[in-house]
Amino acid sequence: RKEVEQDPGPFNVPEGATVAFNCTYSNSASQSFFWYRQDCRKEPKLLMSVYSSGNEDGRFTAQLNRASQYISLLIRDSKLSDSATYLCVVKGGTGANNLFFGTGTRLTVIP
Amino acid sequence: EADIYQTPRYLVIGTGKKITLECSQTMGHDKMYWYQQDPGMELHLIHYSYGVNSTEKGDLSSESTVSRIRTEHFPLTLESARPSHTSQYLCASSELGGNGYTFGSGTRLTVV
Repeated sequence: RKEVEQDPGPFNVPEGATVAFNCTYSNSASQSFFWYRQDCRKEPKLLMSVYSSGNEDGRFTAQLNRASQYISLLIRDSKLSDSATYLCVVKGGTGANNLFFGTGTRLTVIP
Repeated sequence: EADIYQTPRYLVIGTGKKITLECSQTMGHDKMYWYQQDPGMELHLIHYSYGVNSTEKGDLSSESTVSRIRTEHFPLTLESARPSHTSQYLCASSELGGNGYTFGSGTRLTVV
């Protein structure tokens, strides 16, 4: 079973729409959670960390459900510039050496 | 301006050649990583380092080797390139105890 699983999409949404992505992780001891954004043929860049209480950054809201081991990202009022692949990333349990990346969910915002 | 640099950006090379992918960071980060990513697939960790003279293999088996003689430099070497090595190689760094990774722009390697 993969450490992190995401729906690969693609999600094609009109400008202004609200879109949500979910991801699940397998290691219940995982400590930290993130959403990264990766543009086509570019490197991943940190979008936001995900905190247990949920957190918001402008149009982006991230939530964590430890009991069900899933993480979500909500994007409101989608912009054309939001088109990218969104990677769910999990840092493992105690003594973890690295981050585990999901395959990513591809989003295309259509004019 | 990038704080972590990878060269070359693109490389096409023949089978059997020895190659070194360069990665340098100017942030003074102790931890550095090499990831491999095929198109449309997730990143897989192939090597990491916690500091000078520290190198470890990652989760994905790789025929490459790395070295960490200086904090800022973490080169990856393939002694004999093969077509199966064709992929994108991403270098990243982070602070000790830090969570956020900074990635380089990657090296897209094609072995023909």
